[in-house]
Amino acid sequence: EAGVAQSPRYKIIEKRQSVAFWCNPISGHATLYWYQQILGQGPKLLIQFQNNGVVDDSQLPKDRFSAERLKGVDSTLKIQPAKLEDSAVYLCASSRGQGNEKLFFGSGTQLSVL
Amino acid sequence: RKEVEQDPGPFNVPEGATVAFNCTYSNSASQSFFWYRQDCRKEPKLLMSVYSSGNEDGRFTAQLNRASQYISLLIRDSKLSDSATYLCVVNPRGSARQLTFGSGTQLTVLP
Repeated sequence: EAGVAQSPRYKIIEKRQSVAFWCNPISGHATLYWYQQILGQGPKLLIQFQNNGVVDDSQLPKDRFSAERLKGVDSTLKIQPAKLEDSAVYLCASSRGQGNEKLFFGSGTQLSVL
Repeated sequence: RKEVEQDPGPFNVPEGATVAFNCTYSNSASQSFFWYRQDCRKEPKLLMSVYSSGNEDGRFTAQLNRASQYISLLIRDSKLSDSATYLCVVNPRGSARQLTFGSGTQLTVLP
Protein backbone atom coordinates (compact mmCIF):
# COMPACT_ATOMS: atom_id res chain seq x y z
CA GLU A 1 0.00 0.00 0.00
CA ALA A 2 1.46 3.37 -1.02
CA GLY A 3 1.94 5.80 1.83
CA VAL A 4 1.17 9.49 2.13
CA ALA A 5 3.17 11.41 -0.45
CA GLN A 6 4.40 14.93 0.17
CA SER A 7 6.48 17.36 -1.83
CA PRO A 8 8.81 19.10 -1.80
CA ARG A 9 10.99 17.45 0.84
CA TYR A 10 12.85 20.66 1.62
CA LYS A 11 12.19 24.32 0.87
CA ILE A 12 14.23 27.41 1.66
CA ILE A 13 12.68 30.83 1.11
CA GLU A 14 13.14 34.38 2.29
CA LYS A 15 10.63 36.06 4.55
CA ARG A 16 7.66 37.63 2.78
CA GLN A 17 7.91 35.10 -0.04
CA SER A 18 5.19 32.57 -0.81
CA VAL A 19 5.42 28.80 -0.63
CA ALA A 20 3.14 25.86 -1.34
CA PHE A 21 3.20 22.27 -0.18
CA TRP A 22 1.45 19.33 -1.77
CA CYS A 23 0.05 16.16 -0.25
CA ASN A 24 -1.44 13.00 -1.74
CA PRO A 25 -3.07 10.87 0.97
CA ILE A 26 -3.41 7.11 1.01
CA SER A 27 -6.02 6.00 -1.50
CA GLY A 28 -9.45 5.77 0.06
CA HIS A 29 -8.61 7.79 3.15
CA ALA A 30 -11.38 10.30 3.71
CA THR A 31 -9.66 12.45 6.32
CA LEU A 32 -6.60 14.57 5.65
CA TYR A 33 -4.65 16.61 8.15
CA TRP A 34 -1.94 19.26 7.95
CA TYR A 35 0.29 19.57 10.99
CA GLN A 36 3.07 22.04 11.77
CA GLN A 37 5.97 20.71 13.83
CA ILE A 38 8.45 23.23 15.17
CA LEU A 39 11.78 21.82 16.32
CA GLY A 40 11.50 20.36 19.82
CA GLN A 41 7.72 20.42 19.85
CA GLY A 42 4.96 18.02 19.00
CA PRO A 43 2.93 18.36 15.81
CA LYS A 44 0.25 21.05 15.95
CA LEU A 45 -2.90 20.62 13.87
CA LEU A 46 -3.39 23.38 11.31
CA ILE A 47 -6.37 22.06 9.39
CA GLN A 48 -8.42 18.88 9.06
CA PHE A 49 -10.46 17.90 6.01
CA GLN A 50 -13.18 15.29 5.76
CA ASN A 51 -13.36 14.52 2.04
CA ASN A 52 -13.26 18.04 0.57
CA GLY A 53 -14.87 19.82 3.51
CA VAL A 54 -13.06 21.54 6.37
CA VAL A 55 -13.68 19.92 9.77
CA ASP A 56 -11.35 22.06 11.89
CA ASP A 57 -9.19 25.03 10.96
CA SER A 58 -9.27 26.78 14.32
CA GLN A 59 -5.46 26.88 14.62
CA LEU A 60 -4.75 27.92 11.04
CA PRO A 61 -3.36 31.49 10.82
CA LYS A 62 -5.82 32.48 8.14
CA ASP A 63 -4.21 35.84 7.42
CA ARG A 64 -1.29 34.02 5.80
CA PHE A 65 -2.09 30.32 5.56
CA SER A 66 -4.60 28.71 3.23
CA ALA A 67 -5.36 25.13 2.32
CA GLU A 68 -7.60 23.30 -0.06
CA ARG A 69 -8.40 19.71 -0.87
CA LEU A 70 -9.34 19.39 -4.49
CA LYS A 71 -12.00 16.77 -5.21
CA GLY A 72 -11.45 15.26 -1.79
CA VAL A 73 -8.09 13.73 -2.68
CA ASP A 74 -4.91 15.82 -3.04
CA SER A 75 -4.34 18.84 -0.86
CA THR A 76 -2.19 21.96 -0.97
CA LEU A 77 -1.12 24.18 1.89
CA LYS A 78 0.06 27.69 1.08
CA ILE A 79 1.82 30.34 3.11
CA GLN A 80 1.75 33.91 1.82
CA PRO A 81 3.71 35.85 2.98
CA ALA A 82 6.04 33.69 5.05
CA LYS A 83 7.50 34.81 8.37
CA LEU A 84 10.63 33.62 10.15
CA GLU A 85 8.51 31.81 12.75
CA ASP A 86 6.98 29.65 10.01
CA SER A 87 10.21 27.65 9.84
CA ALA A 88 9.09 24.14 10.72
CA VAL A 89 8.30 20.73 9.29
CA TYR A 90 4.88 20.57 7.67
CA LEU A 91 3.40 17.11 8.00
CA CYS A 92 0.47 15.77 6.08
CA ALA A 93 -1.44 12.82 7.49
CA SER A 94 -4.47 10.82 6.46
CA SER A 95 -6.85 8.37 8.08
CA ARG A 96 -9.70 6.22 6.86
CA GLY A 97 -12.34 8.13 8.73
CA GLN A 98 -12.77 11.07 10.99
CA GLY A 99 -11.56 11.03 14.54
CA ASN A 100 -9.94 8.46 16.65
CA GLU A 101 -8.17 6.29 14.19
CA LYS A 102 -4.65 5.59 13.19
CA LEU A 103 -2.99 8.50 11.41
CA PHE A 104 -0.55 7.79 8.61
CA PHE A 105 1.98 10.57 8.15
CA GLY A 106 3.97 11.61 5.12
CA SER A 107 7.67 12.37 5.38
CA GLY A 108 6.97 16.06 5.71
CA THR A 109 8.30 19.23 4.12
CA GLN A 110 11.05 20.99 6.02
CA LEU A 111 10.64 24.74 5.53
CA SER A 112 13.35 27.23 6.36
CA VAL A 113 12.44 30.92 6.21
CA LEU A 114 15.48 33.20 6.12
CA ARG B 1 -2.24 24.66 31.49
CA LYS B 2 -1.37 22.79 28.31
CA GLU B 3 -3.91 20.28 27.03
CA VAL B 4 -1.26 17.56 26.91
CA GLU B 5 1.97 17.65 28.93
CA GLN B 6 4.96 15.37 28.82
CA ASP B 7 8.34 15.32 30.52
CA PRO B 8 10.66 16.23 27.63
CA GLY B 9 13.56 14.21 29.02
CA PRO B 10 15.97 13.23 27.71
CA PHE B 11 15.88 9.81 29.28
CA ASN B 12 19.21 8.04 28.85
CA VAL B 13 19.00 4.40 29.89
CA PRO B 14 21.25 1.36 29.44
CA GLU B 15 20.23 -1.45 27.17
CA GLY B 16 17.97 -3.89 28.99
CA ALA B 17 16.59 -1.32 31.41
CA THR B 18 12.93 -0.66 32.09
CA VAL B 19 11.77 2.91 31.50
CA ALA B 20 8.42 4.60 31.99
CA PHE B 21 6.96 7.83 30.64
CA ASN B 22 3.93 9.69 31.88
CA CYS B 23 1.67 12.12 30.09
CA THR B 24 -0.99 14.28 31.72
CA TYR B 25 -4.02 15.76 30.01
CA SER B 26 -6.20 18.61 31.15
CA ASN B 27 -9.68 17.79 29.83
CA SER B 28 -11.53 15.09 31.70
CA ALA B 29 -13.81 14.69 28.67
CA SER B 30 -10.95 13.21 26.64
CA GLN B 31 -11.89 9.82 25.27
CA SER B 32 -9.06 8.59 23.06
CA PHE B 33 -5.41 8.14 23.90
CA PHE B 34 -2.42 7.02 21.90
CA TRP B 35 1.35 6.76 21.95
CA TYR B 36 3.20 7.63 18.76
CA ARG B 37 6.89 7.12 18.13
CA GLN B 38 9.00 9.57 16.12
CA ASP B 39 12.52 8.74 15.04
CA CYS B 40 14.98 11.55 14.44
CA ARG B 41 14.06 13.48 11.27
CA LYS B 42 11.22 11.07 10.51
CA GLU B 43 7.45 11.25 10.67
CA PRO B 44 5.46 10.07 13.71
CA LYS B 45 4.12 6.52 13.62
CA LEU B 46 1.47 4.96 15.83
CA LEU B 47 3.01 2.80 18.53
CA MET B 48 -0.13 1.79 20.35
CA SER B 49 -3.57 2.88 21.42
CA VAL B 50 -4.30 3.18 25.14
CA TYR B 51 -7.41 1.45 26.42
CA SER B 52 -9.16 1.94 29.73
CA SER B 53 -8.23 -1.56 30.83
CA GLY B 54 -4.59 -1.06 29.87
CA ASN B 55 -2.91 -2.92 27.06
CA GLU B 56 0.33 -4.64 26.28
CA ASP B 57 2.22 -5.22 23.04
CA GLY B 58 5.36 -7.23 23.55
CA ARG B 59 7.74 -5.17 25.64
CA PHE B 60 5.43 -2.16 25.67
CA THR B 61 2.63 -1.58 28.17
CA ALA B 62 0.26 1.39 28.11
CA GLN B 63 -2.06 2.38 30.93
CA LEU B 64 -4.72 5.00 31.48
CA ASN B 65 -5.58 6.59 34.82
CA ARG B 66 -8.74 8.63 34.31
CA ALA B 67 -8.98 9.74 37.94
CA SER B 68 -5.57 11.41 37.80
CA GLN B 69 -5.82 12.21 34.08
CA TYR B 70 -2.63 10.64 32.90
CA ILE B 71 -1.47 7.90 30.62
CA SER B 72 1.76 5.99 30.87
CA LEU B 73 4.04 3.97 28.64
CA LEU B 74 6.34 1.31 30.06
CA ILE B 75 9.14 -0.18 27.99
CA ARG B 76 10.78 -3.33 29.34
CA ASP B 77 14.13 -4.75 28.27
CA SER B 78 15.05 -1.61 26.30
CA LYS B 79 16.73 -2.07 22.93
CA LEU B 80 19.02 0.33 21.11
CA SER B 81 16.32 0.55 18.45
CA ASP B 82 13.87 1.97 21.01
CA SER B 83 15.78 5.27 20.91
CA ALA B 84 13.27 7.81 19.66
CA THR B 85 10.88 10.51 20.80
CA TYR B 86 7.62 9.21 22.22
CA LEU B 87 4.59 11.42 21.63
CA CYS B 88 1.50 11.28 23.79
CA VAL B 89 -1.67 11.95 21.80
CA VAL B 90 -5.04 12.81 23.28
CA ASN B 91 -8.44 13.69 21.95
CA PRO B 92 -8.97 16.65 24.31
CA ARG B 93 -12.51 17.62 23.53
CA GLY B 94 -14.19 14.27 23.63
CA SER B 95 -16.49 14.04 20.68
CA ALA B 96 -14.86 16.92 18.80
CA ARG B 97 -12.53 14.39 17.19
CA GLN B 98 -9.35 16.40 17.22
CA LEU B 99 -6.09 14.78 18.20
CA THR B 100 -3.61 16.88 20.19
CA PHE B 101 0.02 15.86 20.42
CA GLY B 102 2.27 16.39 23.41
CA SER B 103 5.78 17.77 22.91
CA GLY B 104 7.31 14.33 23.24
CA THR B 105 9.73 12.54 25.53
CA GLN B 106 13.15 11.78 24.12
CA LEU B 107 14.60 8.35 24.91
CA THR B 108 18.16 7.26 24.23
CA VAL B 109 19.08 3.66 24.95
CA LEU B 110 22.81 3.32 25.50
CA PRO B 111 24.91 0.22 24.73
